[in-house]
Amino acid sequence: KAGVTQTPRYLIKTRGQQVTLSCSPISGHRSVSWYQQTPGQGLQFLFEYFSETQRNKGNFPGRFSGRQFSNSRSEMNVSTLELGDSALYLCASSLEVSREQFFGPGTRLTVL
Amino acid sequence: QQQVKQSPQSLIVQKGGISIINCAYENTAFDYFPWYQQFPGKGPALLIAIRPDVSEKKEGRFTISFNKSAKQFSLHIMDSQPGDSATYFCAASAGGAQKLVFGQGTRLTINP
Repeated sequence: KAGVTQTPRYLIKTRGQQVTLSCSPISGHRSVSWYQQTPGQGLQFLFEYFSETQRNKGNFPGRFSGRQFSNSRSEMNVSTLELGDSALYLCASSLEVSREQFFGPGTRLTVL
Repeated sequence: QQQVKQSPQSLIVQKGGISIINCAYENTAFDYFPWYQQFPGKGPALLIAIRPDVSEKKEGRFTISFNKSAKQFSLHIMDSQPGDSATYFCAASAGGAQKLVFGQGTRLTINP
């Protein structure tokens, strides 16, 4: 089975721009969660989607948003980028009835 | 109360030795405690997980010990190998939610 895939792997943007990151979960996994990883704050939960609905949300500003499609693929969007948004953005998927989350390789976002 | 505190930040162990990483939590609603291993440039990979009704779980060279009354859990890596050199994260979640709260991570180096 293929793992979680994320595109693009690397992205460079400038302050004020917006960005969209994509995540394809493991086949059969309907829950997709997003995390931000930085050296200072570590791994922090952004949000979780299940059956196209946001089921849980972390403590991030409204500039961070996401959605999930009927095929379980998910996107996250960050608007009005700030320097502090530079991070590795990780997507994880899981089965409906499982607590086990499987992470993708991440998208490295650099904001200049 | 949502925090998970992890120690040490870094750890150097000789090949063949035992690596021990500790985590502590405050939120008594946490009921799922996984450990993840992350290599540079990769996403975190699930190693092993435990629930609070069990005091110990072993998978190969990896063992989780869980002390519910002390609200602490730890990862033991037996017969540590250079290939185990990575960053390790403990995490916790509550009530069936996919939202993981992560510790700050431990950079483990196994000297040959």
